[in-house]
Amino acid sequence: DVKVTQSSRYLVKRTGEKVFLECVQDMDHENMFWYRQDPGLGLRLIYFSYDVKMKEKGDIPEGYSVSREKKERFSLILESASTNQTSMYLCASSLFSGANVLTFGAGSRLTVL
Amino acid sequence: AQSVSQHNHHVILSEAASLELGCNYSYGGTVNLFWYVQYPGQHLQLLLKYFSGDPLVKGIKGFEAEFIKSKFSFNLRKPSVQWSDTAEYFCAVKSGGSYIPTFGRGTSLIVHP
Repeated sequence: DVKVTQSSRYLVKRTGEKVFLECVQDMDHENMFWYRQDPGLGLRLIYFSYDVKMKEKGDIPEGYSVSREKKERFSLILESASTNQTSMYLCASSLFSGANVLTFGAGSRLTVL
Repeated sequence: AQSVSQHNHHVILSEAASLELGCNYSYGGTVNLFWYVQYPGQHLQLLLKYFSGDPLVKGIKGFEAEFIKSKFSFNLRKPSVQWSDTAEYFCAVKSGGSYIPTFGRGTSLIVHP
């Protein structure tokens, strides 16, 4: 019954490394999202995509980029990881219209040393 | 831009106590309202949602929320909490013309047995 799959649950990287976080959904959803979850700050939107190859910046896009080459896959890229990017990263998807209820993945906890 | 305020950051209750978690939003137009829950070690999942109609919405596990338009509020309630309700609760608001919900900072609920 897996719907949104994030490829890595835990990652440890060093400062300056390039990091890829992958997300795949099997519900044929048009919208996909990357959020960052930090204690006391809730969920903050990094990037959003409403279609293949389309992307929009969220509230905190600095230091991140995204790729959506296929409808089911949305990747988050940290070009040069920094310690302040240590966080839990949540991927979500939703239909283009109607309820827009988000279905979330399990999260990827990234630690940057 | 819309914003969401959750007034209670940490709530500690004993089993059988009543619960009310506050949520206020800033957007003045048509809104869709959500409460999501994240149980320890689990995905974020939808608890309940309001789109239109009856402002009193019932969700899973005995939770309900009331949309009060004049107060820009969507408070979550449960008459008698259980230890298994220990979780983090997030309120989210989506304006009628947007695909992107804005989340509050979350409320951590601990229920003592």
